Amino acid sequence: AQTVTQSQPEMSVQEAETVTLSCTYDTSENNYYLFWYKQPPSRQMILVIRQEAYKQQNATENRFSVNFQKAAKSFSLKISDSQLGDTAMYFCAFMKQGNSGGGADGLTFGKGTHLIIQP
Amino acid sequence: ETGVTQTPRHLVMGMTNKKSLKCEQHLGHNAMYWYKQSAKKPLELMFVYSLEERVENNSVPSRFSPECPNSSHLFLHLHTLQPEDSALYLCASSRDTTFDEQYFGPGTRLTVT
Repeated sequence: AQTVTQSQPEMSVQEAETVTLSCTYDTSENNYYLFWYKQPPSRQMILVIRQEAYKQQNATENRFSVNFQKAAKSFSLKISDSQLGDTAMYFCAFMKQGNSGGGADGLTFGKGTHLIIQP
Repeated sequence: ETGVTQTPRHLVMGMTNKKSLKCEQHLGHNAMYWYKQSAKKPLELMFVYSLEERVENNSVPSRFSPECPNSSHLFLHLHTLQPEDSALYLCASSRDTTFDEQYFGPGTRLTVT
């Protein structure tokens, strides 16, 4: 079984600052995906960024980037030039990849980090 | 909007009631999921459907009964719930269970009294 740990229940930064959210995971799988999902106060969960474990290059999406350390089983999210609209719960999630279909096990989520961007 | 809709958005029910949650996806996906989101706990996978067949049931109590009549619709039938079942119930879909990205609906906030 996989576990995902987010050790920061809440973080608060000023607008335009850079913030890093941490995530560690535990698995015996070698092939898997990692995700960061954002859940704004409206509650609709949306995908922020994803990383395939076989890729060494860190994923980036505009102001969002990850630091993926496979050996350390670490997957942090960096948000640059933070904006008020970034205020949300952020969830780190894991999904294994396999012949039976990684999605049959669904996503394993961490407890989330509540990020508050202050004006 | 993610292309996944859920109704109702809020539901209050007594422990002896029977109600159903509905999820619809407009993305042409073949896999659909139910998750439970409780306060202070990680999201928990409840059920997975692929091409209308259930492929995963994560030891969910029988008072929760899923139904997937076609690949676009997913229901969660509720009966004789307990107060601890109060939570946000999220539906998600993906192209299939071998594809990584899941798209989530807005959720149904369920309160059991």
